[in-house]
Amino acid sequence: GNSVTQMEGPVTLSEEAFLTINCTYTATGYPSLFWYVQYPGEGLQLLLKATKADDKGSNKGFEATYRKETTSFHLEKGSVQVSDSAVYFCALTPSGNTPLVFGKGTRLSVIA
Amino acid sequence: EAGVAQSPRYKIIEKRQSVAFWCNPISGHATLYWYQQILGQGPKLLIQFQNNGVVDDSQLPKDRFSAERLKGVDSTLKIQPAKLEDSAVYLCASSLGGTGRTGELFFGEGSRLTVL
Repeated sequence: GNSVTQMEGPVTLSEEAFLTINCTYTATGYPSLFWYVQYPGEGLQLLLKATKADDKGSNKGFEATYRKETTSFHLEKGSVQVSDSAVYFCALTPSGNTPLVFGKGTRLSVIA
Repeated sequence: EAGVAQSPRYKIIEKRQSVAFWCNPISGHATLYWYQQILGQGPKLLIQFQNNGVVDDSQLPKDRFSAERLKGVDSTLKIQPAKLEDSAVYLCASSLGGTGRTGELFFGEGSRLTVL
């Protein structure tokens, strides 16, 4: 079946630290991959996406590269800010109209 | 542009009672989803509508859960009777078409259900 595995949280970092949140997936065919973010008190929102192997998605200083050989889509940011504190979800969709399958989420707390 | 609206935000009920959640998607969005998010887990799809037709309800516990989207706009999710394990946040999301390769779903803030 289709599934997403994320690193366990919570992750606590100091401001300006480097962030990596690991995500690996299992899927049939060639899925599209996504990172969603949920800020405190808000709904989930799309952070970035990649639709084919070797694509790099980027937004707000975050990046993730679709690695087919390792079935991974790790989220990275070079210098985190307090405002990045949120829960991050890795997700995939196997094909066109198939609903998103989410990982369990990783809570990030950034302290000043 | 108005986002996805959900109500109520919070609901506390006793087991075996019933509850209903309402969702109004972004105007013009044909596809509507209900997800269940249990504490510490990722969202799990319950049902997907395309306009007012059901596309996928394979993970909906049909003995107690029901959902409808009568005019292809807003939707109601009902639980009757509720069990303790139904305690979760119920998320409504919408998209222009299907998930497609864009994967951009627009989520509401969710309705948090506590079953005592």
